[in-house]
Parts: sequence; C-alpha cells; structure tokens
Amino acid sequence: KAGVTQTPRYLIKTRGQQVTLSCSPISGHRSVSWYQQTPGQGLQFLFEYFSETQRNKGNFPGRFSGRQFSNSRSEMNVSTLELGDSALYLCASSGRTVGGETQYFGPGTRLLVL
Amino acid sequence: DQQVKQNSPSLSVQEGRISILNCDYTNSMFDYFLWYKKYPAEGPTFLISISSIKDKNEDGRFTVFLNKSAKHLSLHIVPSQPGDSAVYFCAASAVNTGNQFYFGTGTSLTVIP
Repeated sequence: KAGVTQTPRYLIKTRGQQVTLSCSPISGHRSVSWYQQTPGQGLQFLFEYFSETQRNKGNFPGRFSGRQFSNSRSEMNVSTLELGDSALYLCASSGRTVGGETQYFGPGTRLLVL
Repeated sequence: DQQVKQNSPSLSVQEGRISILNCDYTNSMFDYFLWYKKYPAEGPTFLISISSIKDKNEDGRFTVFLNKSAKHLSLHIVPSQPGDSAVYFCAASAVNTGNQFYFGTGTSLTVIP
C-alpha cells in the first residue's frame, strides 16, 4: 500500500497570508489527524477527522481549520498567518493493528512564515 | 496539560550497548501505547506498540515494557546501532478518547560508533 502523502512539502508565506495543506491517507483509512511540530514542543495535536466529520480537536485558535472529503483526503487551512505558525505540519492516518489503532504519518509540510 | 512525558530530552549510547528510553503518563485510562522514531525532515515512523493487557512486547531489537501501576513505559533497543540515532516519541491513546493520540516531547538518541 502507498503511504500517507502530503503536499506541498515546503512552503514559504508571509504574515497575514493564508495557507492550505493537503493530505492523502493510506487507502482504506478513514481517520486523518493533523499535528504541529515545533522544536522542543513535540507533536501538538490539531484535529482529527473521521468520515468527513471532525471527531477530536486540540487547543489551537480558530485560525486553524480542516476538512475531510468523501475519499478521506483531508486539507488543513491556516488563516492570517503569524510568525509562530512556522513549523512542520504532520498528517497521520489511522489503521487497525493487533492491539489497537495505529497512526501512520506522512513526511510533513514544512511551513516558514516570514 | 502534558499527559505523556518524556523527561530525558537526549540520550547517548555506545554502539552495541543497550538504549533505554523512558516515558511516563498521567491518564490511567490510556490503554494503548506506541513508540515512533523520527529522522529530521521526515514524518515519525511507527516502531512498536503495546496494549495495556500486556506488560511486554518484543519485535527484533526493540522491546517495550509497560508498568501500569507506575504509569511508565520504556523502549529497549539491543544492540544499539548508529542508524538508530533519531528522535523517539512515545504516544498513548484510550478507547474513551476516540482516536486521539497523546505524544511525548521526544528523546533524541545518539548512538556513538
């Protein structure tokens, strides 16, 4: 099976702009989660979508939003970008393994806000 | 509120020796635990997991131990190899959190040749 893919891999934006990131999950996976990784902060959970519905949400401002399409592909949008939004944004799709659900990550999108 | 903690930001080990990475959690409802390995500029890669009904799970050089009473899990890598040098994240989830995973802040492992 093909893995999780994310586009674009790199982005440079300026403050105040908005950005849309895309994620294609592993075939058959219906859950997609988004994380922000910054140095020293680990993986901060943004939100999770399952069957086109947001099922879980982390503690991020409303500038961060997402959606999921009927084919399970997901997009994440950040509006009014701030310098602090510079980070690696990771998408993960979930599949069942022996013992429980396991998340499989894409390569990430590196966002730089200038 | 950091429910999963990795208190050692970094660890250095000689090649061939054992690497032990530790993780603590606070939520007693967590019932599934995972370890991921991450290289720079890549997404985390799933390594090994353990269900709360077990106290040990082994996969090749990697063994995860779970101590539920202490709310502690550890990843043992034996023998350590230079290619194991990466950041390791532990994660936890619970049936009653849906599919939300909680990650630690990571431990950077350096295996010295």
